[in-house]
Amino acid sequence: QQQVKQSPQSLIVQKGGISIINCAYENTAFDYFPWYQQFPGKGPALLIAIRPDVSEKKEGRFTISFNKSAKQFSLHIMDSQPGDSATYFCAARPGTYKYIFGTGTRLKVLA
Amino acid sequence: DGGITQSPKYLFRKEGQNVTLSCEQNLNHDAMYWYRQDPGQGLRLIYYSQIVNDFQKGDIAEGYSVSREKKESFPLTVTSAQKNPTAFYLCASTRAEDTGELFFGEGSRLTVL
Repeated sequence: QQQVKQSPQSLIVQKGGISIINCAYENTAFDYFPWYQQFPGKGPALLIAIRPDVSEKKEGRFTISFNKSAKQFSLHIMDSQPGDSATYFCAARPGTYKYIFGTGTRLKVLA
Repeated sequence: DGGITQSPKYLFRKEGQNVTLSCEQNLNHDAMYWYRQDPGQGLRLIYYSQIVNDFQKGDIAEGYSVSREKKESFPLTVTSAQKNPTAFYLCASTRAEDTGELFFGEGSRLTVL
């Protein structure tokens, strides 16, 4: 099944809080799981990515947690800031040039 | 600076007209992509090209056409056969090597009047 299911659709977090976005997949052939951040009117930009041979990757305030057995991965944004307000997309790549994207999560961080 | 340039940024079209969206990259990337973005539907693949003079249909290719005559360029034509063309269109590219990262342009917003 070539789908990536993303939740929640929208998320409101207080400044300094933790934002958590979840994604689930079914195709075990996926070999690369990136997260993209998109600001209004702009193209998405790579935020952080993980491969299935590790369970966690951290870059600054952003962490990906990967659960291979559950076929789930999540993005955690620690100490969320108003500047993090954007739409976030998870994605998965099935070992080819094609990328499968989730439907996106609109994050709003309140000041 | 290296990157992907999409033009125009905004485009208005009357029903029944074909329009062509430009995508140029100077990243020396082999693979290029076109995605369509609609609210609540994420990014859906229209066409992609791994090398010059070759391209494959994505999940929603009907009503669209592409060409890849040069490595740097991957224009998308939205034809009159596309029933609901109003959307935000994104061009992307990646290297042939297994780095994984997709680089996106800033997008083109097409509105059909």
